[in-house]
Amino acid sequence: NAGVTQTPKFRILKIGQSMTLQCTQDMNHNYMYWYRQDPGMGLKLIYYSVGAGITDKGEVPNGYNVSRSTTEDFPLRLELAAPSQTSVYFCASSPSGAGLGYTFGSGTRLTVV
Amino acid sequence: DAKTTQPNSMESNEEEPVHLPCNHSTISGTDYIHWYRQLPSQGPEYVIHGLTSNVNNRMASLAIAEDRKSSTLILHRATLRDAAVYYCILRDSIIQGAQKLVFGQGTRLTINP
Repeated sequence: NAGVTQTPKFRILKIGQSMTLQCTQDMNHNYMYWYRQDPGMGLKLIYYSVGAGITDKGEVPNGYNVSRSTTEDFPLRLELAAPSQTSVYFCASSPSGAGLGYTFGSGTRLTVV
Repeated sequence: DAKTTQPNSMESNEEEPVHLPCNHSTISGTDYIHWYRQLPSQGPEYVIHGLTSNVNNRMASLAIAEDRKSSTLILHRATLRDAAVYYCILRDSIIQGAQKLVFGQGTRLTINP
């Protein structure tokens, strides 16, 4: 049971480059989330999805895009990378139903230089 | 949005109980209290959650005050592997059934051998 799988684990981007952070879950969870965590800080929600074809903005969506074509996959796209996007990115999923917990991936550490 | 207040850091000794406090004076009647922890260089991990009654699982216990304005995560016998940042989180809001967990700064727990 893999849970939530994120790739890549590490990446260095140059300013202005683009990339896609991949996230896949095998638990058939309807809800998926992308968070970022800056050094010494808590997690901030970027985007979330309540099911295939449905996404919505979180607290810090600027500079990012998402899509949800299947239940399993929730990729996060960075267009025109900026140094302010240097962070650790976590994908998470949860089943439907109030009070149920999230399962997080192990994270992608992104550096923009 | 309901907020939580936790001490920035706590320290305890191995094999002793640890009581991690959390204040949430603006909690609403339908907010669940969630606890997650984040080990170094890992994604957050679900620990426990509750609504009104005290809860126990294999990892910890959650004691909820009668007025629900505070709660305490109890680690009955801390080990070195319990050293982590512990987050007390109220379920933010429900949109189409999704739980948007809002992370604060958490409590950094140090365990002394």
